[in-house]
Amino acid sequence: DAKTTQPPSMDCAEGRAANLPCNHSTISGNEYVYWYRQIHSQGPQYIIHGLKNNETNEMASLIITEDRKSSTLILPHATLRDTAVYYCIVPRGQNFVFGPGTRLSVLP
Amino acid sequence: DAGVTQSPTHLIKTRGQQVTLRCSPKSGHDTVSWYQQALGQGPQFIFQYYEEEERQRGNFPDRFSGHQFPNYSSELNVNALLLGDSALYLCASSLNRFYNSPLHFGNGTRLTVT
Repeated sequence: DAKTTQPPSMDCAEGRAANLPCNHSTISGNEYVYWYRQIHSQGPQYIIHGLKNNETNEMASLIITEDRKSSTLILPHATLRDTAVYYCIVPRGQNFVFGPGTRLSVLP
Repeated sequence: DAGVTQSPTHLIKTRGQQVTLRCSPKSGHDTVSWYQQALGQGPQFIFQYYEEEERQRGNFPDRFSGHQFPNYSSELNVNALLLGDSALYLCASSLNRFYNSPLHFGNGTRLTVT
């Protein structure tokens, strides 16, 4: 798998945008970037994925740099329920390798 | 549309025993992957099943085995349980024909080995 690097933790004020960065400098041309989050004691929840174009869905936006070596997950209006560990993954095929992720704390 | 369901949700076993965990994939999915998540760690890949065969395997001993049934549901079996097998076991399903198909996870089975 392409190695990903994420900050271990981040804080965000409730109602503000949360911007979670991820570096994946060894990504190959046909590899997608996926984002998941895991709330305590639940299974990882799929958020979004993309190849090279920016993507948006009802949960978040994914911004991928033009060289594809990094990306940012944006939660536009963070709520307390968005407190979780966020994982950025670049799998090869369907082999998803989870790193330690970023622990996002949304503060009231 | 039912998501991935796992049973049981919690299980307590004794060292040396055997355990079977079950998973029903999301409707329409044909590929099942199993992960082990120790406390405070990210999920670790155990193996993946497609067309009733093990297609990929992570760095887990042969004590860990699995099965996929014709209806795409799956079982994870662990023999000769060790204390270190205590973890959250996660099942994820996906659709094989789409290269970029994301995994969809269940909420796992919490296994405690005493």
